[in-house]
Formats: sequence, structure tokens, C-alpha cells
Amino acid sequence: GNSVTQMEGPVTLSEEAFLTINCTYTATGYPSLFWYVQYPGEGLQLLLKATKADDKGSNKGFEATYRKETTSFHLEKGSVQVSDSAVYFCALSDQGGSEKLVFGKGTKLTVNP
Amino acid sequence: SAVISQKPSRDICQRGTSLTIQCQVDSQVTMMFWYRQQPGQSLTLIATANQGSEATYESGFVIDKFPISRPNLTFSTLTVSNMSPEDSSIYLCSVSLGGGYEQYFGPGTRLTVT
Repeated sequence: GNSVTQMEGPVTLSEEAFLTINCTYTATGYPSLFWYVQYPGEGLQLLLKATKADDKGSNKGFEATYRKETTSFHLEKGSVQVSDSAVYFCALSDQGGSEKLVFGKGTKLTVNP
Repeated sequence: SAVISQKPSRDICQRGTSLTIQCQVDSQVTMMFWYRQQPGQSLTLIATANQGSEATYESGFVIDKFPISRPNLTFSTLTVSNMSPEDSSIYLCSVSLGGGYEQYFGPGTRLTVT
């Protein structure tokens, strides 16, 4: 079945550091890929998405590129802020009609001033 | 996107009782989903709820424990029945707006069972 493997956390960075959170997937067909963010005490928010190979999703300074050849969708940001402290989830959607989302385990990011 | 609200936002319940969680969307949607997020864990899909049909449950979840209603295109409920401490989790509803298959989530209901 479909699955998502995410870099284990937690990750602790200083403000303005470069961020990479690795995500790889296993899927049949051509899934859509997503990054969701969960700020402390809140629900999940869609951060960015990509629906086909070589698409780059971007939002709030975060980027991720859909790499079919390496089955990856790594999240990057060039300069993190304290306000980016949250849990980040990589997910894929089965485009086979069920529209179910499969999530990775999540990576907790803490950014210190 | 969609604006999704859930009630209650949190509750503390005694074991053996049941709690019904409501999910309201500000637009008509075909597919709604219910997830469970156990403490410090990722999200696990409980069931998919389409209006006008029975909910489809994922492996490990059964209708007797998690009955779901979907009376119209903007509303759904999830009941957690005969609760035990293992049911302590955040329960989230989400909707799919089609197109790119992304889902939008409600704020969640934080349930503690004592």
C-alpha cells in the first residue's frame, strides 16, 4: 500500500538557519504530495502541494519539489524564524478515487532565537 | 479553501460513556473524513463519509465503536462510543475540495477519557 517516510525529529535550529526535512514515499500510480503544518494547539494547515512530477510547491518561504525518480518531496526553507516552530507532516493522496490522505509520522521543528 | 468548525473543542469524559463530535463546513462538499491523532503521533484515518451513503471505515475501526452520520453536504458527526482511556486523542474532520486532492482540516476536538 501507499506509505510516507519522514525524517525523524525533533529538529532544533537557530533563527535564520537553513531547513531541510526529508520525505520519501511509496505509491502506485502518481499521487499528489503535500506538506501540512500543525502549530502548537492548532489543527492542520495545508502548507504546500504538488500534483505531478517536477512540480514545485511553495508558500511562506517553504519549497518542495516532486521528484518522481527518487520518490521524494523534501521540504526546505532558506532562513527559518521562531514562528516556524511547529510539527510538519508530509502526506500523499491516492488519486485512484478514494482521495484518502496517508501521512508521515511528523517532524517537530523548534527554532530558537 | 473551506472554513471548518468542530464542537466541542475539548472534553473530558468518563470511561464507558459516549461523545458525539460535530463538524460543520461553510460550503457543500461531497467527501468528508474523520481522523484520529493520538498523543505525539501522526494522523490515522478512521472513515470516509459521503452524503447519502454509509461511511467507509479503515482497517481497525468499526461502526459500532465510531458511528458516523452525514445528513447533508455541510455537516457530519462522529460518535466515540463506550470510551476507554485509549480513546484519548485529538479527533479531526476534514473535507476534500477535489481538484488537487488536498484536504482542509477542522481545528480538532481534544478528548480525554478518565
